[in-house]
Amino acid sequence: RKEVEQDPGPFNVPEGATVAFNCTYSNSASQSFFWYRQDCRKEPKLLMSVYSSGNEDGRFTAQLNRASQYISLLIRDSKLSDSATYLCPNTGNQFYFGTGTSLTVIP
Amino acid sequence: DAMVIQNPRYQVTQFGKPVTLSCSQTLNHNVMYWYQQKSSQAPKLLFHYYDKDFNNEADTPDNFQSRRPNTSFCFLDIRSPGLGDAAMYLCATSSGQGIRETQYFGPGTRLLVL
Repeated sequence: RKEVEQDPGPFNVPEGATVAFNCTYSNSASQSFFWYRQDCRKEPKLLMSVYSSGNEDGRFTAQLNRASQYISLLIRDSKLSDSATYLCPNTGNQFYFGTGTSLTVIP
Repeated sequence: DAMVIQNPRYQVTQFGKPVTLSCSQTLNHNVMYWYQQKSSQAPKLLFHYYDKDFNNEADTPDNFQSRRPNTSFCFLDIRSPGLGDAAMYLCATSSGQGIRETQYFGPGTRLLVL
């Protein structure tokens, strides 16, 4: 059973669009949640932590739905530089990554 | 700047020839991790150290070993690389092992096995 399920995409959206994707986790004991982004052939980098109340950082909004065991990431006014793979590790004491969701923002 | 450093960035080795990848950190973090990431796949945790305490993932092959001589350095040894071991190897650190700890990744070493 996969710890994390993500729609691999690819999501191809025009510049300026709003895009959202989810990450479903199976470990109901998970206490903390993160979104990472990974550019092609680069390392994952922390995008944002996801708090119970949801949080927003500029154009990015993360939400947690504990009842349905998923987190979401909303990106508004997409930029070309947002093109990347977005990862949400399932967290216990360790990180277990899903394959991520691929986003391409098109001019 | 504080960071996670991996050397070399690209490593070519021959089938069956032992190879060592290195990771160092200036964050003074207690925990260091090694991940393997193959093309279009998720990073897969191989093992981690909490200080000197080594923790192996159950499905990590015996061919992979690790050493952590001090807080700053951690090494990944591949004793007999096979073609299937060609991948990006990512080192990461976190300040603790708690469930709220963020992990910080190095730039990775891309291993090619000929």
